[in-house]
Amino acid sequence: KAGVTQTPRYLIKTRGQQVTLSCSPISGHRSVSWYQQTPGQGLQFLFEYFSETQRNKGNFPGRFSGRQFSNSRSEMNVSTLELGDSALYLCASSYGGSFQETQYFGPGTRLLVL
Amino acid sequence: GQQLNQSPQSMFIQEGEDVSMNCTSSSIFNTWLWYKQEPGEGPVLLIALYKAGELTSNGRLTAQFGITRKDSFLNISASIPSDVGIYFCAGYYNNNDMRFGAGTRLTVKP
Repeated sequence: KAGVTQTPRYLIKTRGQQVTLSCSPISGHRSVSWYQQTPGQGLQFLFEYFSETQRNKGNFPGRFSGRQFSNSRSEMNVSTLELGDSALYLCASSYGGSFQETQYFGPGTRLLVL
Repeated sequence: GQQLNQSPQSMFIQEGEDVSMNCTSSSIFNTWLWYKQEPGEGPVLLIALYKAGELTSNGRLTAQFGITRKDSFLNISASIPSDVGIYFCAGYYNNNDMRFGAGTRLTVKP
């Protein structure tokens, strides 16, 4: 069974631009969660999507948004990029969602904002 | 946002030694999780704890959910070189948000 895949793996953008990251969950998984990882703040939960609906949300500004498609693939969008948005963005999938289920993480997308 | 207090930040140990790391929070958690992350990869769940006082093992790994529900520890016995990585604790903060520790970087010398 293929694991969680994320594209692109690396991305360089400039301040003010927007970016869209993609995550394909493990086949059969319906929940996709997004996380931001930085050296300063560590791992932080962004949001979770389940059956095309945002079910849980962390404490991030509205510039961070996401969506999920009917095939469970998910995209995350960051608008008006800031230097502090440079991070590793991880997505994780699970079958039924909720944090109690084992989440399988992808390798991440490393975003650099210049 | 509030993160968990994880210690130590890093550990350098000899192969065969035991390892202990812990996480504390000022708030009560309902669930504690321990993850391991290796370079270039996402975190992998090691152990999940759901009840105060619960002690759970996964091979050479043992983790406990503190009685106060504000702390958890992870022990690794008889460390081996492949234990190298960053270990993270995580917990549910308010049932719809997950908080993480800053991680413990483990180095094992053969």
